Amino acid sequence: QVLLQESGPGLVKSSETLSLTCDVSGGSIGGYYWSWIRQSPAKGLEWIGYIFSDGSSNYNPSLHSRATISVDPPRDQLSLKLTSLTNADTAVYYCARTGRAVVSGPLNIWGQGLPVTVTS
Amino acid sequence: SDVLTQPPTVSVAPGQTATITCEGNNIGTANVHWYQQKPGQAPVVVVFDDSARPSGTRDRFSGSHSGNTATLTINRVEAGDEADYYCQLWDGNTDHYLFGTGTRVTVL
Repeated sequence: QVLLQESGPGLVKSSETLSLTCDVSGGSIGGYYWSWIRQSPAKGLEWIGYIFSDGSSNYNPSLHSRATISVDPPRDQLSLKLTSLTNADTAVYYCARTGRAVVSGPLNIWGQGLPVTVTS
Repeated sequence: SDVLTQPPTVSVAPGQTATITCEGNNIGTANVHWYQQKPGQAPVVVVFDDSARPSGTRDRFSGSHSGNTATLTINRVEAGDEADYYCQLWDGNTDHYLFGTGTRVTVL
């Protein structure tokens, strides 16, 4: 059974950079599409970006190039960096994986989510 | 535009049918997936590829897709179906994922 666990700071300051990690257990990074998704009461579920295990990636244009996702296959880790934080970035952050090796597949494995608050 | 619109709320009596729509110009030929999210939990797939059900989903849940509208139907609604439901797809034109605005299903 593949499990995902997000980790990182729960409190960050405005204008700083958020760095989150997603540890993958019970499986490997290879051959799947991995996404970061966030959820706030104001915006609902918002896709941040995805990365394939070969490093190819794409991002939500609404984030104006502030997001960077990377994978570390030897460590079975996925990472997110989000720069120039504002209060609008306060949300629960999830990592998730497609159930099969196609980008259009459903996101059928999710982490438990990590609440992040941006303070002024 | 990149918006998938769902009704904010659907209220239904136990044993009745709940219908949740997802509308958007991006739907077209995309594969639409549906997620159920209960308070404090991550979303869980209940229908994928428009109408397929994961092994853990009850057959009371069904999905369909016609033109620019996808629909999730919950038959014989139970109290345990009370949750938020989201549609989602991958847009092949932009290579982006989109989530619907979400629908809260309330069981009366």
